[in-house]
Amino acid sequence: NAGVTQNPKFQVLKTGQSMTLQCAQDMNHNSMYWYRQDPGMGLRLIYYSASEGTTDKGEVPNGYNVSRLNKREFSLRLESAAPSQTSVYFCASSLAHRGKGREHEQFFGPGTRLTVL
Amino acid sequence: AQTVTQSQPEMSVQEAETVTLSCTYDTSESDYYLFWYKQPPSRQMILVIRQEAYKQQNATENRFSVNFQKAAKSFSLKISDSQLGDAAMYFCAYRTHSGTYKYIFGTGTRLKVLA
Repeated sequence: NAGVTQNPKFQVLKTGQSMTLQCAQDMNHNSMYWYRQDPGMGLRLIYYSASEGTTDKGEVPNGYNVSRLNKREFSLRLESAAPSQTSVYFCASSLAHRGKGREHEQFFGPGTRLTVL
Repeated sequence: AQTVTQSQPEMSVQEAETVTLSCTYDTSESDYYLFWYKQPPSRQMILVIRQEAYKQQNATENRFSVNFQKAAKSFSLKISDSQLGDAAMYFCAYRTHSGTYKYIFGTGTRLKVLA
């Protein structure tokens, strides 16, 4: 069981370039999330997918697009990278998006450090 | 909107001693969840402990325990018998129980453990 995996672990882009961050989970989770972590800011939600076939904006969606390719995979795309998107990106998954039990607890991947020059 | 505040950017503790990390939050909801996550230098986010707002009893996980004061909207983490491996960033997080059901994270506290 690998849990949540992310690729690549590190990436350097030039302003205006595009790239896709990959995320996959093998826990049969229904819900997946993309966060960014900036110094002094904590984690902020970019987009999430409550279930396969659905995606919704989070707190800071501008400049990003997502695709829930299947139940396992949830990718984040930067169409035209900007220096303000320099950050560490985390993918997370949970069994469910809502609920009173532990099914909503999120498991995180190891992160991708992205630098935009 | 809900907010989570961690007012201690950095804390230090001697090995084997006890340290308390502070977290306050603001919400108008009565039902929600609170978490402490640990982020070591590897960057992996690890769930340390969780607390359901409807439970009055403070959660405990081995050397980690919380002091949950619902009326004061305070959720502190106590680490007993601190170990070198406890050195990390610690994030307090709030999970809404309505609307988008999203997690809201604090800005983190860096814990240093001194040998």
